[in-house]
Amino acid sequence: EAGVTQSPTHLIKTRGQQVTLRCSPISGHTSVYWYQQALGLGLQFLLWYDEGEERNRGNFPPRFSGRQFPNYSSELNVNALELEDSALYLCASRSRGHNEQFFGPGTRLTVL
Amino acid sequence: GNSVTQMEGPVTLSEEAFLTINCTYTATGYPSLFWYVQYPGEGLQLLLKATKADDKGSNKGFEATYRKETTSFHLEKGSVQVSDSAVYFCALSGERDQAGTALIFGKGTTLSVSS
Repeated sequence: EAGVTQSPTHLIKTRGQQVTLRCSPISGHTSVYWYQQALGLGLQFLLWYDEGEERNRGNFPPRFSGRQFPNYSSELNVNALELEDSALYLCASRSRGHNEQFFGPGTRLTVL
Repeated sequence: GNSVTQMEGPVTLSEEAFLTINCTYTATGYPSLFWYVQYPGEGLQLLLKATKADDKGSNKGFEATYRKETTSFHLEKGSVQVSDSAVYFCALSGERDQAGTALIFGKGTTLSVSS
């Protein structure tokens, strides 16, 4: 069974640009979560999507947004990039009725 | 609000030594508890979980017991290997009726095992 996949693996952008990260959940999983792992800040929850709807978001500004498609894959969009957005962005998926989340390998974003 | 506290690292051990990584939590009710492991350059892998008090999660020689009375979920392994070198994260999520809530992570503990 394929795990959670994310693309791209690495990304380099400059301040003010916009970026889109992509995530495909494990087959049969309907919930997708996005987390940010920034140096010194640990793992912080960004967004949760389930059945195509945004269910919850963490303490991040509105320039962090996303969506979930009918096939349950998801995109994370970050507008007006700032230097402190440099981080590893992790996507996780979860199946209905279970609590555990399974993570993808992440996308490493560097903002110059 | 809910929170997780892990012992500060790094933890440096010799091969075959006993490992304990402490984790305590603050939460209302009965959250589910998890240990995740992150190898260099990779995402997080679920190591083990426990969903109710006195449950013991185990996997690959690692164990952790959900202790409601001490609000703890310490990770242990009897004999570590060099391949266990990684960062370990303790995490919690909501109760069953809050299934789907985001994970709250501790800051992570770096384990380095030498041969």
